[in-house]
Amino acid sequence: DAGVIQSPRHEVTEMGQEVTLRCKPISGHNSLFWYRQTMMRGLELLIYFNNNVPIDDSGMPEDRFSAKMPNASFSTLKIQPSEPRDSAVYFCASSFELPYEQYFGPGTRLTVT
Amino acid sequence: AQTVTQSQPEMSVQEAETVTLSCTYDTSESDYYLFWYKQPPSRQMILVIRQEAYKQQNATENRFSVNFQKAAKSFSLKISDSQLGDAAMYFCAYNNNDMRFGAGTRLTVKP
Repeated sequence: DAGVIQSPRHEVTEMGQEVTLRCKPISGHNSLFWYRQTMMRGLELLIYFNNNVPIDDSGMPEDRFSAKMPNASFSTLKIQPSEPRDSAVYFCASSFELPYEQYFGPGTRLTVT
Repeated sequence: AQTVTQSQPEMSVQEAETVTLSCTYDTSESDYYLFWYKQPPSRQMILVIRQEAYKQQNATENRFSVNFQKAAKSFSLKISDSQLGDAAMYFCAYNNNDMRFGAGTRLTVKP
């Protein structure tokens, strides 16, 4: 099994630009999660999907952030416009069912200058 | 809301010795899952061990075992025969359809 796949692994962009992060969950998993990790705030859950439907987006910091899951094998997290405070590592994770263990992708390190 | 507390920001252990990392959580639920994740410098989040709340028997995975005290809402991780490769951040997590992570404990292994 390939595990959770994220792209890109690193992203450097200028303030004001649009950023799109991509995730392919493990085949057969029906739940997908987006996290953000920073030194100051630790690991934060941004949004999660169950059967491609967004269940809870209360962790999304503001309207500049949006996430989609058009099918069971693909999800995106978009930041528009990006700001320096968005710099962080963004993880995607998937699980077979909501309460079960989550498997994490390698993360995307985002730097906004 | 469920909260997860790891009271030890940093821990250190001598190679081949045993170390225990603490975790407590707050919940009013009776059925849930608990996990320990390891995050080495590569930043990959790796599942170490899981525990179902309805199981009284403590989970074990090779050198890793837990001490699950449901009434006390405590879930500690014991690492036996510590190895240099065990050095990492360790996160405790609670899940009842809404995963919550602790702040993490940084483990250093001294040769």
